[in-house]
Amino acid sequence: AQSVTQPDIHITVSEGASLELRCNYSYGATPYLFWYVQSPGQGLQLLLKYFSGDTLVQGIKGFEAEFKRSQSSFNLRKPSVHWSDAAEYFCAVGSRRSGNTPLVFGKGTRLSVIA
Amino acid sequence: SAVISQKPSRDICQRGTSLTIQCQVDSQVTMMFWYRQQPGQSLTLIATANQGSEATYESGFVIDKFPISRPNLTFSTLTVSNMSPEDSSIYLCSAKREGNTGELFFGEGSRLTVL
Repeated sequence: AQSVTQPDIHITVSEGASLELRCNYSYGATPYLFWYVQSPGQGLQLLLKYFSGDTLVQGIKGFEAEFKRSQSSFNLRKPSVHWSDAAEYFCAVGSRRSGNTPLVFGKGTRLSVIA
Repeated sequence: SAVISQKPSRDICQRGTSLTIQCQVDSQVTMMFWYRQQPGQSLTLIATANQGSEATYESGFVIDKFPISRPNLTFSTLTVSNMSPEDSSIYLCSAKREGNTGELFFGEGSRLTVL
């Protein structure tokens, strides 16, 4: 069965500092990989996704993520965090075998940004 | 991307009552799913809403408690029946387009508080 682990429940960074949010997955093959962001009181917005090809993917709001097959990881990064990035971040995996299966989500990492 | 509208966006309900959440997608999608997000938690899949037939429920969720309808490709409802305070959650409608890319679009969610 697919599973997603986000080891960090809560991370606090200073505005302007770099950010890396960790995500590890368990899956029999290479899955589809996603990062979503949820601002307080909002639904989920897709930041970026990996299907195939270049293992470094660019997303919205200056985020990027790198797929590392050998480590079963898909860590999210941003070189300079803005106060508006404070939110909950979810990593998710999807099956390549069937396009009709839902995504499996990690428990999320809450990002706080301090001045 | 698909635009998903959910209503109500929030509600306060009395114990023992039922509430129906509506989800409307702006274009035809192949799959629709309902997720629950309990306070401070990640997303848990409740069921897959199947057009014109009974929903497919995940372990721990039953039709009597969470009846779901999907009369056409763009509309679905989730009812939370005989509510208790433990049902206080955000309920999220999501959808997937044609194609095996796996990406899910989400509504803004319906935040239910049961007193």
